[in-house]
Amino acid sequence: GAGVSQSPRYKVAKRGQDVALRCDPISGHVSLFWYQQALGQGPEFLTYFQNEAQLDKSGLPSDRFFAERPEGSVSTLKIQRTQQEDSAVYLCASSSGQGWGQPQHFGDGTRLSIL
Amino acid sequence: ILNVEQSPQSLHVQEGDSTNFTCSFPSSNFYALHWYRWETAKSPEALFVMTLNGDEKKKGRISATLNTKEGYSYLYIKGSQPEDSATYLCASLGGDSSYKLIFGSGTRLLVRP
Repeated sequence: GAGVSQSPRYKVAKRGQDVALRCDPISGHVSLFWYQQALGQGPEFLTYFQNEAQLDKSGLPSDRFFAERPEGSVSTLKIQRTQQEDSAVYLCASSSGQGWGQPQHFGDGTRLSIL
Repeated sequence: ILNVEQSPQSLHVQEGDSTNFTCSFPSSNFYALHWYRWETAKSPEALFVMTLNGDEKKKGRISATLNTKEGYSYLYIKGSQPEDSATYLCASLGGDSSYKLIFGSGTRLLVRP
C-alpha cells in the first residue's frame, strides 16, 4: 500500500546495545515526525523533519537518541547504548504540508523492548 | 490547562449504544485539534482535523464538535458497533508550535456485542 511503513515491527535488544528504527513515509510527504509512546500514555513528540532538515529535536530524551532523513524521504531513528526506560512503541508519521490543517499519517510503529 | 486531557480513560458499552468522550486542551494560541482512532495492532487513523471555533465534523456514525474559547472537544459515536472498539486519541496544536501535536492519553472504548 501507499501508507507509512515502519520496520522492524518488533525489536528486542539487550541493555547497552544500539538499535536503528526505520520509517518510510508516504511518497512526496514533506513533513516527518517521530513519537514515543509509553504504555498507557499518548504518543509524545520526539522530532520533526521538513524534507531533509531536522527543524525540531526538542523531544529527544537524551543525546543517545539521534534521527536523520538525509534525502528527505526515508528516516532512521537511532538509539545508542539502550536503557530499559527506552522500551516503548516508536511511531513515525508523515504529512503532506507544513500547516496545522493537515492530518498526520501514522505507521504501525516499532515496539522496542530492552532486556 | 497545560496538558491535553481526555475522559473517560476507558468505556465499555453495549452494541447499539451511543457514546461520547471529552478532550480538554489549552485554549491560548490555538491552531488545531486532531482526533485519531487507534485499533490494536494497527496504525493510528486520522478521523478529524478541526480548526475553527464551533466546528462540527461528521464521518459516518462518528462526529465531533470544537469549542476553542473554553478549550474542549467532544467526540460522539452513534449506535456503537464492535468494530468501533479502539483507543480514541485527541491531540492539540498550539502554543509556540504549529506542528508539534500534544496528545492526550486516549479513551479506550470496548463495544460488547
